[in-house]
Amino acid sequence: GQQVMQIPQYQHVQEGEDFTTYCNSSTTLSNIQWYKQRPGGHPVFLIQLVKSGEVKKQKRLTFQFGEAKKNSSLHITATQTTDVGTYFCAGYNNYGQNFVFGPGTRLSVLP
Amino acid sequence: NAGVTQTPKFQVLKTGQSMTLQCAQDMNHEYMSWYRQDPGMGLRLIHYSVGAGITDQGEVPNGYNVSRSTTEDFPLRLLSAAPSQTSVYFCASSYAGGMNTEAFFGQGTRLTVV
Repeated sequence: GQQVMQIPQYQHVQEGEDFTTYCNSSTTLSNIQWYKQRPGGHPVFLIQLVKSGEVKKQKRLTFQFGEAKKNSSLHITATQTTDVGTYFCAGYNNYGQNFVFGPGTRLSVLP
Repeated sequence: NAGVTQTPKFQVLKTGQSMTLQCAQDMNHEYMSWYRQDPGMGLRLIHYSVGAGITDQGEVPNGYNVSRSTTEDFPLRLLSAAPSQTSVYFCASSYAGGMNTEAFFGQGTRLTVV
């Protein structure tokens, strides 16, 4: 079955440093979504990428979908303490009816 | 606008007990799903429903039952709780289960089985 991996599992950064998490799928994806979960909270939708090579920006967050549509990345510029949480990618392919979530990257930001 | 509402927020069960986790949404979404979240394993799909009267198994369905008698409600039943079912459970809904649909998650139910 489809597998979605994320690296790193944990990342500790100093406030103001950049952060990147990578998502890799074992199969070609139709689209990919990113979610953020604050500590003790629930996942909240951030963005969806559909096109090969697509890049989308939300303020300090940059999302990229790979050319082969098997990988994606989320980059945060100049992290802030409000960025703390776990970032999940979720991949969807044409063979399934559901998104498959990666294990997440937990980000800690030291003030 | 309530969104997705889960009850209870916390629950402790003894091994062998049964219980139902409630999930309701008020967005008229067709697609609803249940996930469990365990440390280091992300969100794993238990069961899902693409509309009233239709349910299907996800990645980890054993030990759980669901039904979807209305568009709004999607309860998850634990038939005979086991310690391995200790987890945080999330219900989610979306306009449709396919592409181009963001999922809205409930607040979660933290279940401990002793």
